[in-house]
Amino acid sequence: GAVVSQHPSWVICKSGTSVKIECRSLDFQATTMFWYRQFPKQSLMLMATSNEGSKATYEQGVEKDKFLINHASLTLSTLTVTSAHPEDSSFYICSAPSLTGGLDTQYFGPGTRLTVL
Amino acid sequence: GESVGLHLPTLSVQEGDNSIINCAYSNSASDYFIWYKQESGKGPQFIIDIRSNMDKRQGQRVTVLLNKTVKHLSLQIAATQPGDSAVYFCAEKAAGNKLTFGGGTRVLVKP
Repeated sequence: GAVVSQHPSWVICKSGTSVKIECRSLDFQATTMFWYRQFPKQSLMLMATSNEGSKATYEQGVEKDKFLINHASLTLSTLTVTSAHPEDSSFYICSAPSLTGGLDTQYFGPGTRLTVL
Repeated sequence: GESVGLHLPTLSVQEGDNSIINCAYSNSASDYFIWYKQESGKGPQFIIDIRSNMDKRQGQRVTVLLNKTVKHLSLQIAATQPGDSAVYFCAEKAAGNKLTFGGGTRVLVKP
């Protein structure tokens, strides 16, 4: 199956700093990638859709100036959490759709655990 | 899918028994459904999918059933093994590629 990687796998930062998370499709190209946030014991909530070569589209209630998304190439999307605060601590997961097998299946990265002190 | 907030429903199953996980979805326009397995600290892993023009699909040890009349999806795991212990999510896809996830069910396999 298609492989999606994320870097870093975990990060601890001080309140007020910015953190960048990378999402890469390793063996396929993705014009679209998705960013999710998952709090403990909860489901995945879609934050935004990252579009290669154009602006990301954000879900209702997600601050676009706080969660900056850049889809610089067909294999890389980045999520930058700006001026992070403890309430931003969460598990951030990206996904990318692949046409493997003829269906539009989304493959997920391993996630990035962000802890803001 | 149903959101259960901070509490995940848990299904305890004896090793070797069959497991059935249920999911209610919300959008009648959804045309594609997927089951994912998520182990602690990891991203969701694709298990099986089904399109809305089908009501059953089988994989290796797993079967997904779709009832569009009542907007219900189920995942059956045959001969549950300790490695099946995880949280299982259903997801539905309507327009575009955006997925909406259900609340999740934790499966605990007892030896």
